[in-house]
Amino acid sequence: EAQVTQNPRYLITVTGKKLTVTCSQNMNHEYMSWYRQDPGLGLRQIYYSMNVEVTDKGDVPEGYKVSRKEKRNFPLILESPSPNQTSLYFCASSLYSGVYNEQFFGPGTRLTVL
Amino acid sequence: KQEVTQIPAALSVPEGENLVLNCSFTDSAIYNLQWFRQDPGKGLTSLLLIQSSQREQTSGRLNASLDKSSGRSTLYIAASQPGDSATYLCAVLGSSNTGKLIFGQGTTLQVKP
Repeated sequence: EAQVTQNPRYLITVTGKKLTVTCSQNMNHEYMSWYRQDPGLGLRQIYYSMNVEVTDKGDVPEGYKVSRKEKRNFPLILESPSPNQTSLYFCASSLYSGVYNEQFFGPGTRLTVL
Repeated sequence: KQEVTQIPAALSVPEGENLVLNCSFTDSAIYNLQWFRQDPGKGLTSLLLIQSSQREQTSGRLNASLDKSSGRSTLYIAASQPGDSATYLCAVLGSSNTGKLIFGQGTTLQVKP
């Protein structure tokens, strides 16, 4: 089944404890991105990647890192999480970033930072 | 700056009713528009993608239209069912360079049996 998977689905952690949220897609998509969803603010792009080893900042990149060493994986790294990073996180992918390509989203990761 | 608005924020209808969800955007220079469905505890499910050159797309009981000149899109749901209850989000692709989707706040639909 073609899908985007994320792990973990739920995570409660404490301030300053490094964590990684994994994202993987099995559709051979070149484009991947991360969003966070917050009440009243909607979905905002954190980082995106056009292809392997090509990443760039979205609208809200502060406090996050990403890497794209393989086409299928695009982990989101929080080096020193803070309470304002408590949010629902979504990974997305599409064949390319262009106009013809439908974007597919993962199931989401609900993160709570205490 | 592109802004996407969805009105109403919430909608409750009896089962079997046909309904229309609205989406408006401020900048007509979009590449495409995508409608999603979000269920509690689940991710975003893509429903329909309309290219900027298209006027509408259909999938089953769903029909989405796009009027770029007026900055509007509608999602028509025919013969609504309780299983259609969810939050519906529209998103526009404003830049093919970043692939960034700009989302509306969503319309939460409740279909009562």
